Amino acid sequence: SQQGEEDPQALSIQEGENATMNCSYKTSINNLQWYRQNSGRGLVHLILIRSNEREKHSGRLRVTLDTSKKSSSLLITASRAADTASYFCATDGGAGNMLTFGGGTRLMVKP
Amino acid sequence: NAGVMQNPRHLVRRRGQEARLRCSPMKGHSHVYWYRQLPEEGLKFMVYLQKENIIDESGMPKERFSAEFPKEGPSILRIQQVVRGDSAAYFCASSPVDRMATEAFFGQGTRLTVV
Repeated sequence: SQQGEEDPQALSIQEGENATMNCSYKTSINNLQWYRQNSGRGLVHLILIRSNEREKHSGRLRVTLDTSKKSSSLLITASRAADTASYFCATDGGAGNMLTFGGGTRLMVKP
Repeated sequence: NAGVMQNPRHLVRRRGQEARLRCSPMKGHSHVYWYRQLPEEGLKFMVYLQKENIIDESGMPKERFSAEFPKEGPSILRIQQVVRGDSAAYFCASSPVDRMATEAFFGQGTRLTVV
């Protein structure tokens, strides 16, 4: 079963609006990461947040982590059409600290 | 230092043929991980290899799939007698140490289409 589950599965917003995606996971983690994947392309690493961190920023991205609720959120502020992509959360914890991915949120930003 | 290189980028096979997917890790990386992504889904772990060793193959289907990472050369994911359900994107990642979560880099993937 998947460790991370994203919510919503799909999100459509207008350019300039903020987009919030949520991720829930089941077991203890050392860190949680967010990735972006443009259609038909590879993964782009966005941000990593460690289990002892509550919030992290990178440009227009803001990630929060609530280990008590086993959940994380990714906020993209002032969205652009170029932000249209699928966004995945990934958690560690397996042998070799392998990453376990959620099902993703498909974000569409309309110009 | 080139990133993780996967080839081919696109592969079309007829049902029953064999598919061989290659992954050249980043220079100095001795750990390779293979993931499969079905359409509209997330990545699912398949196998974790170090040079000449399979460390964890818990995500590999029991039949038709095999993987290797020889002392020299790329890691190979081999799918025998492909079926339509094998159509997916296959990604590999590599890391220098046994810490994929913080040290791994992903390739661009191989998109396998079985016709």
